[in-house]
Amino acid sequence: DAGITQSPRHKVTETGTPVTLRCHQTENHRYMYWYRQDPGHGLRLIHYSYGVKDTDKGEVSDGYSVSRSKTEDFLLTLESATSSQTSVYFCAISAKDRASYEQYFGPGTRLTVT
Amino acid sequence: SQKIEQNSEALNIQEGKTATLTCNYTNYSPAYLQWYRQDPGRGPVFLLLIRENEKEKRKERLKVTFDTTLKQSLFHITASQPADSATYLCALDHSGGGADGLTFGKGTHLIIQP
Repeated sequence: DAGITQSPRHKVTETGTPVTLRCHQTENHRYMYWYRQDPGHGLRLIHYSYGVKDTDKGEVSDGYSVSRSKTEDFLLTLESATSSQTSVYFCAISAKDRASYEQYFGPGTRLTVT
Repeated sequence: SQKIEQNSEALNIQEGKTATLTCNYTNYSPAYLQWYRQDPGRGPVFLLLIRENEKEKRKERLKVTFDTTLKQSLFHITASQPADSATYLCALDHSGGGADGLTFGKGTHLIIQP
């Protein structure tokens, strides 16, 4: 998985509780991404980061926030989890400054909001 | 709106034959088109990237074509094997280089039968 870990790998939480998912990379890559994957929708971009403290919104950012205080860590926070946020969340990295634009994905976090 | 379409139904191919998967897109002018493989319970794995000025790209038994006039990419697996069974995802960048994330198709589930 190209030096990408995600934690936790599985989580069950109740509606209204805050949840933070962590993505950690050992590749020192500049760009990091959070996607969610749902049946019938495929992978959709939530937020991305192009450097420390530099983040931007993706296609489905409502209800999510992110932070990146170190190159290696990218956090995704659900401030108040809802059942519609039950999904599998994938973190990815890419190294645009190496002139290669492919993305490498982590193993995913399966989140269930009851 | 931007849209990516892949065969939504599973594709069944006899072992040894060539599998051909289709990716069509509308309202895009991507600089790159990428193909990923995803196995159940795992993150997508990058396979091939093709640029808008390239017609064809090969890697071992894999071949990708990119027709920007037809707005279509074809992904071929020659001499298919049961181990090639997986879901294959097509992805387009939002801008040159994919720095701000990719838009994925929903994927085609490929089954190679012995």
